[in-house]
Amino acid sequence: KQEVTQIPAALSVPEGENLVLNCSFTDSAIYNLQWFRQDPGKGLTSLLLIQSSQREQTSGRLNASLDKSSGRSTLYIAASQPGDSATYLCAVWNYGGSQGNLIFGKGTKLSVKP
Amino acid sequence: DGGITQSPKYLFRKEGQNVTLSCEQNLNHDAMYWYRQDPGQGLRLIYYSQIVNDFQKGDIAEGYSVSREKKESFPLTVTSAQKNPTAFYLCASSIVAGSDNEQFFGPGTRLTVL
Repeated sequence: KQEVTQIPAALSVPEGENLVLNCSFTDSAIYNLQWFRQDPGKGLTSLLLIQSSQREQTSGRLNASLDKSSGRSTLYIAASQPGDSATYLCAVWNYGGSQGNLIFGKGTKLSVKP
Repeated sequence: DGGITQSPKYLFRKEGQNVTLSCEQNLNHDAMYWYRQDPGQGLRLIYYSQIVNDFQKGDIAEGYSVSREKKESFPLTVTSAQKNPTAFYLCASSIVAGSDNEQFFGPGTRLTVL
């Protein structure tokens, strides 16, 4: 059974720092991996989707990498800003899973201090 | 303005009552999903629908029911059989069901059982 783990559960950094959020998964047979952002009491906003054949995706100050063989993905945020404060979730889609089933981690709560 | 809407934002229910959560999308997406989020937990799939008049159980379907009579709408009913219904409910959609397709989320409904 696929399990997705995000470490750390919470992270606090000063504004301007570059930071890395980690996501690991136990079964490397995935179709893709998706990173989301969730603000308190809100829905999820999709940040990046990495297909299993890709190594990384970039959007603005965000860069996500994927290493299927080691079961890891990282989300790199450059020059962090207070507006980046949110919970970041990663999710994977397995081979053999149902057509609906993204498997989510519990998230990393990021706080960027001005 | 394209997107996914959920209503109401907050919902209070007495024990023993059924309640229905609304989810509407104008993205012309075939697939729609319902997830449940509990504090400190990852999202868990309740039901999903690949096309009108079709839906499938997810990991935690017991105590819930859905319908998909229109492409735009995928209401979720939380029945009295659901033992612990207090949670944050998120609706999502994708162009079609399946692993290559990015899921987009609504703003969520917070259900509290009194």
